[in-house]
Amino acid sequence: GAGVSQSPSNKVTEKGKDVELRCDPISGHTALYWYRQRLGQGLEFLIYFQGNSAPDKSGLPSDRFSAERTGESVSTLTIQRTQQEDSAVYLCASSTRTSTDTQYFGPGTRLTVL
Amino acid sequence: AQSVAQPEDQVNVAEGNPLTVKCTYSVSGNPYLFWYVQYPNRGLQFLLKYITGDNLVKGSYGFEAEFNKSQTSFHLKKPSALVSDSALYFCAVRVNAGNNRKLIWGLGTSLAVNP
Repeated sequence: GAGVSQSPSNKVTEKGKDVELRCDPISGHTALYWYRQRLGQGLEFLIYFQGNSAPDKSGLPSDRFSAERTGESVSTLTIQRTQQEDSAVYLCASSTRTSTDTQYFGPGTRLTVL
Repeated sequence: AQSVAQPEDQVNVAEGNPLTVKCTYSVSGNPYLFWYVQYPNRGLQFLLKYITGDNLVKGSYGFEAEFNKSQTSFHLKKPSALVSDSALYFCAVRVNAGNNRKLIWGLGTSLAVNP
């Protein structure tokens, strides 16, 4: 079946502009996660959704970052007033509800802030 | 604080030789442990996981990993490396604690398999 998809694959923006990143999880996966991967770094957790609620948003780096999810489907990560340090690959993953779930990742969105 | 360490930034092995990519963790509670692989310009792919039971876990592409509770390690192994195994490998851990689903990640180990 279809995996996790993300759009756009690449986004170049100017400092100060807002951007929206989209994630389509695997059908039937109730949990959805956003991570950030800076060049040469590991993954940094941003936020976790169970359904359309976010039990853990502890990783959002500032109030410029927000995310929402519609039901158990699409999620959007919004970054307002982008800064150069926001440049990274933003990865989305989804999983089933069970406690031993495996997270399956999308290909990521590469964000470059000029 | 919970953490995952991958002590080697890079591992080089010759094709056909066994490979090991190391991972140690520090968490409170029972850990769920994962290995993922990242090929250039591609997303993260799940390799294997340890939840409970047999300490030796077998996964995709001939990889396996051994959970060692006393050493808090979960090293990734393969008996005979292929050039196509060259990629970035990440170890991750999740604590089995209620609704906490967050994965804590190592910084990755770059594996180079030389022909």
